[in-house]
Amino acid sequence: KQEVTQIPAALSVPEGENLVLNCSFTDSAIYNLQWFRQDPGKGLTSLLLIQSSQREQTSGRLNASLDKSSGRSTLYIAASQPGDSATYLCAVTTNAGKSTFGDGTTLTVKP
Amino acid sequence: NAGVTQTPKFQVLKTGQSMTLQCAQDMNHNSMYWYRQDPGMGLRLIYYSASEGTTDKGEVPNGYNVSRLNKREFSLRLESAAPSQTSVYFCASSLQGVVEAFFGQGTRLTVV
Repeated sequence: KQEVTQIPAALSVPEGENLVLNCSFTDSAIYNLQWFRQDPGKGLTSLLLIQSSQREQTSGRLNASLDKSSGRSTLYIAASQPGDSATYLCAVTTNAGKSTFGDGTTLTVKP
Repeated sequence: NAGVTQTPKFQVLKTGQSMTLQCAQDMNHNSMYWYRQDPGMGLRLIYYSASEGTTDKGEVPNGYNVSRLNKREFSLRLESAAPSQTSVYFCASSLQGVVEAFFGQGTRLTVV
């Protein structure tokens, strides 16, 4: 059974700092990995999707990497801003279309 | 550009009552999903519909039924609500199972 772990569970940083969120998964037979953002009381917004054949994806200040063989992904946020405060979730999807989500990392960026 | 729309946003039920959560997407997606989100347990798949006319159980289907009414709509029914079903429910859709998923805003359900 696929298990997805996100460490740390919570992170607090001052504004402007670069930071890395971690996601690990136990079964490397994945089709893709997706990073989401969830604001309090809201749904999930897709940030980046990495196909299993890719090593990384970038969108603005966000960069996600994937090392399928070691079962790890990182989400790098450059020059963090208070508006980045949210919970970040990763989800891995198998070839059969089954997705497993991590519990998320709650990020607080202090002004 | 509505995306995925869920109704209602909030609901309080008494134990034993029934209700249906509605979900509609306007992106012409084939696949639709129902998840529940509980503290410390992440999102867990309840049911999914890979395409119009098909539905399959996910990880936690007990106590729920679903209907894929047409390509746009996928409803989740609680026949006899229990306190253990207190949760936040999310509907999601994707063009097909293995591509980017889009989520609704969630339904916060409390069963007392």
